[in-house]
Amino acid sequence: DIVMTQSPDSLAVSLGERATINCKSSQSVLYSSNNKNCLGWYQQKPGQPPKMLIYWASTRESGVPDRFSGSGSGTDFTLTISSLQAEDVAVYYCHQCYSTPRTFGQGTKVEIK
Amino acid sequence: EVQLVESGGGLVQPGGSLRLSCAASGFIFSNYWMSWVRQAPGKGLEWVANIKPDGSEKYYVDSVKGRFTFSRDNAKNSLYLQMNSLRAEDTAVYYCVRGGQWFGAWGQGTLVTVSS
Repeated sequence: DIVMTQSPDSLAVSLGERATINCKSSQSVLYSSNNKNCLGWYQQKPGQPPKMLIYWASTRESGVPDRFSGSGSGTDFTLTISSLQAEDVAVYYCHQCYSTPRTFGQGTKVEIK
Repeated sequence: EVQLVESGGGLVQPGGSLRLSCAASGFIFSNYWMSWVRQAPGKGLEWVANIKPDGSEKYYVDSVKGRFTFSRDNAKNSLYLQMNSLRAEDTAVYYCVRGGQWFGAWGQGTLVTVSS
């Protein structure tokens, strides 16, 4: 199974400041067939189901604000919130779809400082 | 609008059974892989299973293999998760999810509690 490890477990950022979440996979999730990484990012606000933000490591889902961006390749990935807003308080999960079983990172809780 | 509505959760004793259902609407159900993802109270997300659009292929996380069965009825736009030999560690909110690779739409979830 591919193990997904996120860092940090939690972070507190001031409004308008940048938040950066890292995700490391235990093996590469890069498809050689299309040179794309099977890596997604999800946001879960309290009391709500998760919502997909990013797929293929860097493609924003329709309707997701452009302050959210994803980067990385192979085994190391990053989700960046360029200017944190109050509504971004949530837990963020990375997820690999390269192989079965699908696996998620343990989650990173983002709060306002 | 895509809608996924789970039902069937509840309290069950260890060793018991439960059948979850998911009613889908707002998209061409028979075109999509579908999945179940669960979340234990206060914990992270765990993928449980997925099923091919025609139901011919199903995949499960090791911890539920042989105990859970995932099925679908494309005529009724519905999914089912038959859960047998339930254990305390199966206690979680179970989400019905559209997609087998990307989880683009989620239901609100149904809570399964396994306890005596």
